[in-house]
Amino acid sequence: NAGVTQTPKFQVLKTGQSMTLQCAQDMNHNSMYWYRQDPGMGLRLIYYSASEGTTDKGEVPNGYNVSRLNKREFSLRLESAAPSQTSVYFCASRTSGYTDTQYFGPGTRLTVL
Amino acid sequence: DQQVKQNSPSLSVQEGRISILNCDYTNSMFDYFLWYKKYPAEGPTFLISISSIKDKNEDGRFTVFLNKSAKHLSLHIVPSQPGDSAVYFCAARSGGSNYKLTFGKGTLLTVNP
Repeated sequence: NAGVTQTPKFQVLKTGQSMTLQCAQDMNHNSMYWYRQDPGMGLRLIYYSASEGTTDKGEVPNGYNVSRLNKREFSLRLESAAPSQTSVYFCASRTSGYTDTQYFGPGTRLTVL
Repeated sequence: DQQVKQNSPSLSVQEGRISILNCDYTNSMFDYFLWYKKYPAEGPTFLISISSIKDKNEDGRFTVFLNKSAKHLSLHIVPSQPGDSAVYFCAARSGGSNYKLTFGKGTLLTVNP
């Protein structure tokens, strides 16, 4: 089991460029999440997908789009990158049931110049 | 409006002593609380959790205490080890929130040999 994998690990973009961050999980989880972590800000939810075929906005969705491609994969797209989107991005998936453990990927460090 | 607060950005303790990390929350609808641990350049990993119907949960060296009347929870690590040095995030879930978590900003724990 690889758990939650994310690609790429690092990326540098210029303002206005677009890119897609990929996330996949092999734990057969229904729910998947995208977070960003900024210094001194903790983890903030960008988008989530409660199940295949559904997506919803989180706390900071502006400037992002998501696609739940299938049960395993959940991608995050930046259509026109801005310096304010410089951050570390984490994907997570969740076990089912009352206990709410989320399993996180290793992160993508994105710099927008 | 920060609903989950970790007021201590950092904590330093000696190996073998107790580490106490604190977390306060404001939302009375939170019904489940979790602690995550994060090493540099890695994703957060689940550590321990507690339901709002309990006041204590223990797992080896880690114990989480919940005081609902004070809207306060704490994580105790006894004895502390150098490998415990990491950032600790407190997180909370609101019942019926579609399993979204709200995270605190984190506390950097340093355990000195």
